[in-house]
Amino acid sequence: QVQLQESGPGLAEPSGTLSLTCAVSDGSISSNNRWGWVRQPPGKGLEWIGEIYDSGSTSYNPSLKSRVTISMDKSNNQFSLKMSSVTAVDTAVYYCASRDYYGSGSYNYWGQGTLVTVSS
Amino acid sequence: DIQMTQSPSSLSASVGDRVTITCRASQGIRSYLAWFQQKSGTAPKPLIYAASSLQSGVPSKFSGSGSGTDFTLTISSLQPEDFATYYCQQYSSYPITFGQGTRLEIK
Repeated sequence: QVQLQESGPGLAEPSGTLSLTCAVSDGSISSNNRWGWVRQPPGKGLEWIGEIYDSGSTSYNPSLKSRVTISMDKSNNQFSLKMSSVTAVDTAVYYCASRDYYGSGSYNYWGQGTLVTVSS
Repeated sequence: DIQMTQSPSSLSASVGDRVTITCRASQGIRSYLAWFQQKSGTAPKPLIYAASSLQSGVPSKFSGSGSGTDFTLTISSLQPEDFATYYCQQYSSYPITFGQGTRLEIK
């Protein structure tokens, strides 16, 4: 089954850019799956950030759209998240997740999550 | 955006109890509803998709029902490992949205 692993800096500067990568193993990023990002501020609920399809098309949460870019690197079987102009409210555990759009449709594979703290 | 509202926000129950959590969508989502279980410090664990289908490996003590705007997650015969936070999620339309969570605690 698909395995996902987030990586990236655990600290981001205020007004800077947060960058994370999700490595996909035991599966191809070129499949029909959709590859997404979800975040969870400390002690709070889950927020969907966006996702990318194998064609490279993307969908974003309108509340974050102006600051977010999700991209795909097929050669390395991974996808990435960039979030610009970050502030303390962007401090959260960031999860990458995958869903079989033509199967169950919901996110059935998740990475373990990585905490990103926005602070100087 | 489709708003997902869970009730209750928290729930106390005893080992062996049967509990039901409700999720209501602000507009119809057919059966595009998933449930997740999350324990402290870990990623959400998928339980149910398409409102009532069990994810692979999930015990049958978990069951889901509903369609349209009203959905339920039922957990029978609670065991210590079931005490966690539960989230519903709609994937009928973008943006994908989650309920605020229901914290299930031991009484």
